[in-house]
Amino acid sequence: GNSVTQMEGPVTLSEEAFLTINCTYTATGYPSLFWYVQYPGEGLQLLLKATKADDKGSNKGFEATYRKETTSFHLEKGSVQVSDSAVYFCALRDTGRRALTFGSGTRLQVQP
Amino acid sequence: GAGVSQTPSNKVTEKGKYVELRCDPISGHTALYWYRQSLGQGPEFLIYFQGTGAADDSGLPNDRFFAVRPEGSVSTLKIQRTERGDSAVYLCASSQGLGDSGANVLTFGAGSRLTVL
Repeated sequence: GNSVTQMEGPVTLSEEAFLTINCTYTATGYPSLFWYVQYPGEGLQLLLKATKADDKGSNKGFEATYRKETTSFHLEKGSVQVSDSAVYFCALRDTGRRALTFGSGTRLQVQP
Repeated sequence: GAGVSQTPSNKVTEKGKYVELRCDPISGHTALYWYRQSLGQGPEFLIYFQGTGAADDSGLPNDRFFAVRPEGSVSTLKIQRTERGDSAVYLCASSQGLGDSGANVLTFGAGSRLTVL
């Protein structure tokens, strides 16, 4: 079956630090990959996505590259801000299915 | 409406009771999804509707869970004979259609937190 594994949190960084949140996946087909973010008190929002191997998704300074050879989709940002503090979820949608499979989430805390 | 609206935002009930959770999707969105998020976990898929019909209900954990969308808009998730293990945040999401184009991005509601005592 499909699964998504994320690094455990919380991840605590100082403002302007470099961020990496690791995500690896297992899928039976050729999935689309997503990062969702949940800010405190808000609903899940799509942050970025990639639909095929070697695609790079990017948004708000965040990037992730779909690596089929390592089955990974790591989230990176060059310089985090306090406002990036949130829970980040990696997810996949396998070929022919509409359901998303989510990882367990990684809490990011950015200190000023 | 402007976003996906879920009611109630919080529901506390006793073991064995019946519960209904409502989702009002964005107007015009044909696809509607229910997910369940337990504490410290990612959302788990329950069911999705395309229009009025349940296109995939493979995530419903057992026959105590049922969902309807009779007019292709509002959906209700129904849980019979609630158990303590049903305690979670129930999330609803909608999209304009299917596929991975920008128009079909899922918009999630804030969720209904269910606590079964």
